[in-house]
Amino acid sequence: NAGVTQTPKFQVLKTGQSMTLQCAQDMNHEYMSWYRQDPGMGLRLIHYSVGAGITDQGEVPNGYNVSRSTTEDFPLRLLSAAPSQTSVYFCASSYSGGDAFFGQGTRLTVV
Amino acid sequence: GQQVMQIPQYQHVQEGEDFTTYCNSSTTLSNIQWYKQRPGGHPVFLIQLVKSGEVKKQKRLTFQFGEAKKNSSLHITATQTTDVGTYFCAGPITGTASKLTFGTGTRLQVTL
Repeated sequence: NAGVTQTPKFQVLKTGQSMTLQCAQDMNHEYMSWYRQDPGMGLRLIHYSVGAGITDQGEVPNGYNVSRSTTEDFPLRLLSAAPSQTSVYFCASSYSGGDAFFGQGTRLTVV
Repeated sequence: GQQVMQIPQYQHVQEGEDFTTYCNSSTTLSNIQWYKQRPGGHPVFLIQLVKSGEVKKQKRLTFQFGEAKKNSSLHITATQTTDVGTYFCAGPITGTASKLTFGTGTRLQVTL
């Protein structure tokens, strides 16, 4: 099992560009989440999904879109990148009430 | 909204010294989870506590869940350089099972 796979690992964007961060899990987990991690801020929840076709906003959803068409995949779309979105992004998955498995992270820089 | 705070933000110890990080939630938690993140890595699950007053041990690590289920602690006995990293607590947002809110984290540095 690969667990939670995130691509790309590193990305540099120019302000205003759009891109999609990919996340896939092979554990048949119903719950998937996206977090961003900034120095001194811990992990902040961006968007969340409880199953295919169902998504919910987290603490910092502005500027990001998600969709969940399958159980396995949960892509995060940046619509128009801004320097404030420079961060490390983690995708995670879990069973209901269970521990979260994290991907390796995507280090995004917006210039 | 629900907030989870951790103290201290940073601790530097010499190898062999003990270390404790404290986690406090603004609301009662159904359970609390602890994660460790090595420098440059991703968070890795350590343990989950569910019952009021619960204490669990993993080798040199001792985890406690407060009686009111609003606070928790992680204590490491006789730290080693392999303990270096940031430790996070996390709890489900009220009314959800897996929508986790994470604490601010405690970064532990261990030197010889």
